[in-house]
Amino acid sequence: QKEVEQNSGPLSVPEGAIASLNCTYSDRGSQSFFWYRQYSGKSPELIMSIYSNGDKEDGRFTAQLNKASQYVSLLIRDSQPSDSATYLCAGSSGSARQLTFGSGTQLTVLP
Amino acid sequence: DAGVTQSPTHLIKTRGQHVTLRCSPISGHKSVSWYQQVLGQGPQFIFQYYEKEERGRGNFPDRFSARQFPNYSSELNVNALLLGDSALYLCASSLEAGYAETQYFGPGTRLLVL
Repeated sequence: QKEVEQNSGPLSVPEGAIASLNCTYSDRGSQSFFWYRQYSGKSPELIMSIYSNGDKEDGRFTAQLNKASQYVSLLIRDSQPSDSATYLCAGSSGSARQLTFGSGTQLTVLP
Repeated sequence: DAGVTQSPTHLIKTRGQHVTLRCSPISGHKSVSWYQQVLGQGPQFIFQYYEKEERGRGNFPDRFSARQFPNYSSELNVNALLLGDSALYLCASSLEAGYAETQYFGPGTRLLVL
């Protein structure tokens, strides 16, 4: 079964710190990876996508992909209390390019 | 531009009933996917439709069915509801249906089966 595993958390970091979220995947056929943020009671919203090995930066967020190690990560710099949410890692694969999600990591940024 | 819209936002049904959930994709998007999210878990893929054709189906029973209309909106139908069908049902749309396509989620329909 194709799986995406995330560090279970919950994760707490102080305001201004770097939050590191990690994800591993089992399907080597996965081509694209996505990080979504989900606030309690809301739907997932896209933070970043990454398709190639290496780093991709967007503002305070950096996604890293290592296909050889089947590893994806998300770094959040200068964490803010508004970043407190569940972060979902997803890989795209299969005939329908469907997203396979991890179970999420709950992040709390303490003021 | 309007995002993905879903209706209804909340629904309460009893076991054995059927339910129809509706989704309108972002304007110009041709692909719609449906996901089920139970509390504490990530979303799980149910169906994907592209240009009105079913492109994929997740590991869900035949009680679940869907279709996409010429205007690219979509319906998810669930028959013979079980207590375990209680979940947040998410619709996501994308421009096309390729690997690099980003899926944008609607607000979801929260279904409670009693």
